[in-house]
Amino acid sequence: AQSVTQPDIHITVSEGASLELRCNYSYGATPYLFWYVQSPGQGLQLLLKYFSGDTLVQGIKGFEAEFKRSQSSFNLRKPSVHWSDAAEYFCAALSNFGNEKLTFGTGTRLTIIP
Amino acid sequence: GAGVSQSPRYKVAKRGQDVALRCDPISGHVSLFWYQQALGQGPEFLTYFQNEAQLDKSGLPSDRFFAERPEGSVSTLKIQRTQQEDSAVYLCASSFSHSTYEQYFGPGTRLTVT
Repeated sequence: AQSVTQPDIHITVSEGASLELRCNYSYGATPYLFWYVQSPGQGLQLLLKYFSGDTLVQGIKGFEAEFKRSQSSFNLRKPSVHWSDAAEYFCAALSNFGNEKLTFGTGTRLTIIP
Repeated sequence: GAGVSQSPRYKVAKRGQDVALRCDPISGHVSLFWYQQALGQGPEFLTYFQNEAQLDKSGLPSDRFFAERPEGSVSTLKIQRTQQEDSAVYLCASSFSHSTYEQYFGPGTRLTVT
């Protein structure tokens, strides 16, 4: 079955430190991949997406993600986090065979300490 | 421009009551999606419309759940005879077309069944 796994339920980092959030997918063929952020009481906001081509993709708010086919991974990174980055982060995938429904991971909650 | 809006933002229902949740997608967006997000989980797909046609309803958990989009814009998700396990945040998303794959999410409706 198609699935997206986020191994880390909760991550705590210091403000200014670097961040990496992990995401693995299990699909028959490489899906389209997305990272969304959800702040309390807010809807999901798209950070970045990967369809094909360059495996390092840049997104909004200084985030980037790297697609690694050999590891079935699409990890999210940021070189220096800000207190405003505290939120829930979701990795999602979409099969590229005409089915538009997103499959989400269970999310990683990011806490920033001063 | 205006984003996806949902109403009500919060709904408390007694077990057995019927509820209706509304979604106003971004103007001109062809595709509309409903997701259910249980506490501490990622969103899970419920159903999907392209204009007024419901193309996929495979995620609806039971026949108590019904969605419609009669004029291809506003959509309503109806839950009949609510149960406690229906308590969740219901998210609506829209996208411009079936080929853009970028879904824009509303803030959600938090349903609590007592």
